[in-house]
Amino acid sequence: EPEVTQTPSHQVTQMGQEVILRCVPISNHLYFYWYRQILGQKVEFLVSFYNNEISEKSEIFDDQFSVERPDGSNFTLKIRSTKLEDSAMYFCASRGMGAQYFGPGTRLLVL
Amino acid sequence: GQQLNQSPQSMFIQEGEDVSMNCTSSSIFNTWLWYKQDPGEGPVLLIALYKAGELTSNGRLTAQFGITRKDSFLNISASIPSDVGIYFCAGLQGSSGGSNYKLTFGKGTLLTVNP
Repeated sequence: EPEVTQTPSHQVTQMGQEVILRCVPISNHLYFYWYRQILGQKVEFLVSFYNNEISEKSEIFDDQFSVERPDGSNFTLKIRSTKLEDSAMYFCASRGMGAQYFGPGTRLLVL
Repeated sequence: GQQLNQSPQSMFIQEGEDVSMNCTSSSIFNTWLWYKQDPGEGPVLLIALYKAGELTSNGRLTAQFGITRKDSFLNISASIPSDVGIYFCAGLQGSSGGSNYKLTFGKGTLLTVNP
């Protein structure tokens, strides 16, 4: 069964450093998303992406965040200068015409 | 932003018991989804509901999309130890065919099943 994959599974970084989180969505899906989940809290929407552009973004998704689909398979989330409060699980999701399917997540820890 | 009120926050039950959890909102949602999340992993889709009044089953799981479009429930029958996890409801206000499809999540129900 097709699934969304994410790398790395864990990332530890120093405050102020740039990180890039990678996702490979399900191959025939056209809509892509990033969500985050701070430990013990609910999943929060960050950004949606369709047709090579951002469709919608939340207030969390400030100028430090960017997304890119550099080729036909990868979808990346970049945090330019990480802050302590960026520590969370980051989930990529994709969908065709139905429901969203989530990846296993990247656990980001900012020290 | 939109809020989904999910209850109960946690449940501790005996193996074999049935479980029910629900989500309510003051706003209308056009799609309701139920996910399960195991520790350290991503949400796994259990059931998707697209029409008001829809009742859908997936094995021992049954979910319904409320007639008012402001609520949904999930039932698990004859629970087993592997049902342990956090169950999230998620709602969509846009149309499933649209490019915007951000999900609003509830805070989750932590289910513990005692063998």
